[in-house]
Amino acid sequence: GAGVSQSPSNKVTEKGKDVELRCDPISGHTALYWYRQRLGQGLEFLIYFQGNSAPDKSGLPSDRFSAERTGESVSTLTIQRTQQEDSAVYLCASSFSGGRWETQYFGPGTRLLVL
Amino acid sequence: AQSVSQHNHHVILSEAASLELGCNYSYGGTVNLFWYVQYPGQHLQLLLKYFSGDPLVKGIKGFEAEFIKSKFSFNLRKPSVQWSDTAEYFCAVPEFGGQNTGTASKLTFGTGTRLQVTL
Repeated sequence: GAGVSQSPSNKVTEKGKDVELRCDPISGHTALYWYRQRLGQGLEFLIYFQGNSAPDKSGLPSDRFSAERTGESVSTLTIQRTQQEDSAVYLCASSFSGGRWETQYFGPGTRLLVL
Repeated sequence: AQSVSQHNHHVILSEAASLELGCNYSYGGTVNLFWYVQYPGQHLQLLLKYFSGDPLVKGIKGFEAEFIKSKFSFNLRKPSVQWSDTAEYFCAVPEFGGQNTGTASKLTFGTGTRLQVTL
């Protein structure tokens, strides 16, 4: 596609519910990243997929967070038993092959509000 | 782990003023450095990046940044700002992942600088 797309754009949920966020990377990009941006803070890394390699999950804040990626396409980030501190904008990015010099292209984000 | 510091959290400038936003990083080895920008209501997008060669990097919309290795800095500059430069600016550095040092597992971002340009 023309750019990284994410859905939904906004999500309001009640504390304790599960949510699933979706990311469609740029076609042909083998590397996919999830970041989180909480109000007034910078972006924090969550998880990274690159080709068939094992994902780097080092940024996931708790075992309530998980992510999957189907081949080199769509990724879903799942948050179980949501808490109010999970409220944030969740950003997805992709790059061609994950090289450290490569530009990461970001999607518009999903704004999650946990009541 | 690397860290990135942006000391200016909120900057207000009049149009035509000169801009310099600070960015300092902690890593002492081979460094790649990025500035991303997020205009109101838009996606985060690349402004410029450094990965080797000339330490003075030119980006889009008249922005430039200078990599000074001895100071661990990569400050962003623009000689004359415009109202349309109002945005949030993030400095970032990739961390290397796994055994393949050519692969970045993530970007570490600074906390961002909110630039407001007044008419």
